[in-house]
Amino acid sequence: SQQGEEDPQALSIQEGENATMNCSYKTSINNLQWYRQNSGRGLVHLILIRSNEREKHSGRLRVTLDTSKKSSSLLITASRAADTASYFCATANFGNEKLTFGTGTRLTIIP
Amino acid sequence: DARVTQTPRHKVTEMGQEVTMRCQPILGHNTVFWYRQTMMQGLELLAYFRNRAPLDDSGMPKDRFSAEMPDATLATLKIQPSEPRDSAVYFCASGSGYRGDEQYFGPGTRLTVT
Repeated sequence: SQQGEEDPQALSIQEGENATMNCSYKTSINNLQWYRQNSGRGLVHLILIRSNEREKHSGRLRVTLDTSKKSSSLLITASRAADTASYFCATANFGNEKLTFGTGTRLTIIP
Repeated sequence: DARVTQTPRHKVTEMGQEVTMRCQPILGHNTVFWYRQTMMQGLELLAYFRNRAPLDDSGMPKDRFSAEMPDATLATLKIQPSEPRDSAVYFCASGSGYRGDEQYFGPGTRLTVT
């Protein structure tokens, strides 16, 4: 099973609204990362939050991490049509470089 | 603007043929990862290297897949013989080597095996 499971699998919102995606994982982690994938492209790193951090911001992105619940959320504020993409969470365990990716949330922004 | 490059971008081949995919990691990055992405399985890690040494290839079908890094600027993934179930998008990613740090993905090779 996937280390990271995103929820919801798909999300459609109007441009300008906020989008929230969630990620749950199973084991202890070193950090959790969020990536974006536009159709037909490679993944692009968005933000990394370490296990000792609870919240992090980058531009219109806000990520929270709750290690007690083994969950994270990604909030995109004031969404734009260009935010239409799939979003993946990825977890890094202690001691190695591997990332385990979730199944992704497909976000559609309706103009 | 440093980026990971992959060739070819698209490959269509017949079952049984050999396929070689190439990746040039970002200069200075010492970890290289190969992933496969399909609709059914999502993104799967096939193999990864640190300082050109293979560290983990447990995600790779050993009988037909092989991954190498002949030098620091080139990583290859080879499938021989190819099968229709290998049809997928194959991504290469590189990282700076700090454990669990962010990875930089290439544009992928879309492989279709008929």
